[in-house]
Amino acid sequence: ETGVTQTPRHLVMGMTNKKSLKCEQHLGHNAMYWYKQSAKKPLELMFVYNFKEQTENNSVPSRFSPECPNSSHLFLHLHTLQPEDSALYLCASSQEGGGRQPQHFGDGTRLSIL
Amino acid sequence: QKEVEQNSGPLSVPEGAIASLNCTYSDRGSQSFFWYRQYSGKSPELIMSIYSNGDKEDGRFTAQLNKASQYVSLLIRDSQPSDSATYLCAVNTNAGKSTFGDGTTLTVKP
Repeated sequence: ETGVTQTPRHLVMGMTNKKSLKCEQHLGHNAMYWYKQSAKKPLELMFVYNFKEQTENNSVPSRFSPECPNSSHLFLHLHTLQPEDSALYLCASSQEGGGRQPQHFGDGTRLSIL
Repeated sequence: QKEVEQNSGPLSVPEGAIASLNCTYSDRGSQSFFWYRQYSGKSPELIMSIYSNGDKEDGRFTAQLNKASQYVSLLIRDSQPSDSATYLCAVNTNAGKSTFGDGTTLTVKP
């Protein structure tokens, strides 16, 4: 069983839809991350939560809204997305922000905007 | 200047050769260094971590760290076609920040 679980694995939505991506970690970590990765492009850090508090928002458009109700769960709420938002969205967790521990990634949600 | 910089690549080596991947970082407060492998369409997976100056070996992989030069590298000996992937360097600082490089794509040709 993977330590970081993302659902759904694939999502197709229209530009006017509202959907949410879910991430759950079973590792007892305190930091969680959202990344965007477009085809053949580098990872782009979107948001960081440390002990449920948002510590980084990397100039992400407001059509992406994160939520971290507890240290084990992270959501990314999506609304009125654009075609350029089609990408692989990766969630990761680590024991703490920075520090000596690496990040552990989920398998990602592949998002397609029609 | 990017906080973490990697060879732009792509890097191509023949099967059985040594592949050398390089990474430099700008924050002298960096304390922890990681190498991840990412296959196309998949998520990154951790392959090596290093915290002290010098070499760390794990099977065919060797990580090298030089904090004075702010440089970390990954050597892959006896490269196999299955090593073909994008390799990401990640650096953690004392201040609680974690930064990834853009990655170097490696192709190992049979």
